[in-house]
Amino acid sequence: SQKIEQNSEALNIQEGKTATLTCNYTNYSPAYLQWYRQDPGRGPVFLLLIRENEKEKRKERLKVTFDTTLKQSLFHITASQPADSATYLCALVPQEGKLIFGQGTELSVKP
Amino acid sequence: GAVVSQHPSRVICKSGTSVKIECRSLDFQATTMFWYRQFPKQSLMLMATSNEGSKATYEQGVEKDKFLINHASLTLSTLTVTSAHPEDSSFYICSAFSSGGPRGQFFGPGTRLTVL
Repeated sequence: SQKIEQNSEALNIQEGKTATLTCNYTNYSPAYLQWYRQDPGRGPVFLLLIRENEKEKRKERLKVTFDTTLKQSLFHITASQPADSATYLCALVPQEGKLIFGQGTELSVKP
Repeated sequence: GAVVSQHPSRVICKSGTSVKIECRSLDFQATTMFWYRQFPKQSLMLMATSNEGSKATYEQGVEKDKFLINHASLTLSTLTVTSAHPEDSSFYICSAFSSGGPRGQFFGPGTRLTVL
């Protein structure tokens, strides 16, 4: 069956450290993958998109990797800050525009 | 760029009434919009794909007669929850696909529906 899995347990880290979130998938061949941030009671906010032929993408303190052999994407936040605390969602795009979401990982950055 | 709005942000209604939620792309045109539902501590579940000028495509298990979708223009899609019941209470989120710059799928802020 098709699955997208993210760390179900909340990730707690200290301010200044690097947060690493994982997204694994099975039985999909995604054209690309997106990461979103969602705060409580709000819609997801787009962060980064990475295509199947790209290994790595960076945007300021964010870095995403995409390994189609391992069927895994890693999302890194360097020099994390308390304001980075939120739920982070990965989403596959198996066909144009139709996102399939993972369940999200809650990140808490402590000062 | 790529801003999506939803209205209302929060609605409380009595069981049996119908509720309309609007989704607008403010600074881009979207031939395709999507409607999601999210229950507490759960992921977003795609309900339907809304195509401008044609019928919406519903995901398996979503009742098209209960969740009416109208994509009347390139910047507006509406979701009407007909004869709402307490189990329809949820967070409804729309998104719109932008093929220009920036490229990606952008989400509205969501609508919290509570059916009493």
